[in-house]
Amino acid sequence: GQNIDQPTEMTATEGAIVQINCTYQTSGFNGLFWYQQHAGEAPTFLSYNVLDGLEEKGRFSSFLSRSKGYSYLLLKELQMKDSASYLCAVRFREYGGATNKLIFGTGTLLAVQP
Amino acid sequence: EADIYQTPRYLVIGTGKKITLECSQTMGHDKMYWYQQDPGMELHLIHYSYGVNSTEKGDLSSESTVSRIRTEHFPLTLESARPSHTSQYLCASSESEGRREAFFGQGTRLTVV
Repeated sequence: GQNIDQPTEMTATEGAIVQINCTYQTSGFNGLFWYQQHAGEAPTFLSYNVLDGLEEKGRFSSFLSRSKGYSYLLLKELQMKDSASYLCAVRFREYGGATNKLIFGTGTLLAVQP
Repeated sequence: EADIYQTPRYLVIGTGKKITLECSQTMGHDKMYWYQQDPGMELHLIHYSYGVNSTEKGDLSSESTVSRIRTEHFPLTLESARPSHTSQYLCASSESEGRREAFFGQGTRLTVV
């Protein structure tokens, strides 16, 4: 079956750098997404990786290693508003499936402290 | 800003009632999804669709049903609501392939009393 693992919680200091890891086991892998979700709100898209390597987007970067089933989200120059849950999501196609599915990990709750 | 809408935002309803949660998107996306999320917990995929008249069940068993008669519309129905159905329901849509993220609606917070 498919499985996505992330740490449950992390704490970091304003202005610092934090790395949130995600490991996954899926067949038919077809892309990995990172989303940010503030409490009580809908998830918003942060980044996408389908090939190995690093994707950079402002203060956020995401890395993927398909052979290791591993990704991380790197947040630089942390701000208080970055306190949120960060969700790792994997798109995959099951054997014999007609289309891709998108499933989410449990999310990592990041608390940024002054 | 994503053009995907869910109504109602909040719903409190009695046990045994039939309810339909609405989801509409104006982006012409082929794929649409329904997720269920309890407070502080992960999103569970309960239904998805890859086009008109195509629907599939997700990884979390759900007593709800869905339909996809039009591309832009993906309603979710509970024939007889129970307190165990109390949760937040999030609808999302995306283009079919490639570097296409899913866009989420604001969610419907359902409480069954």
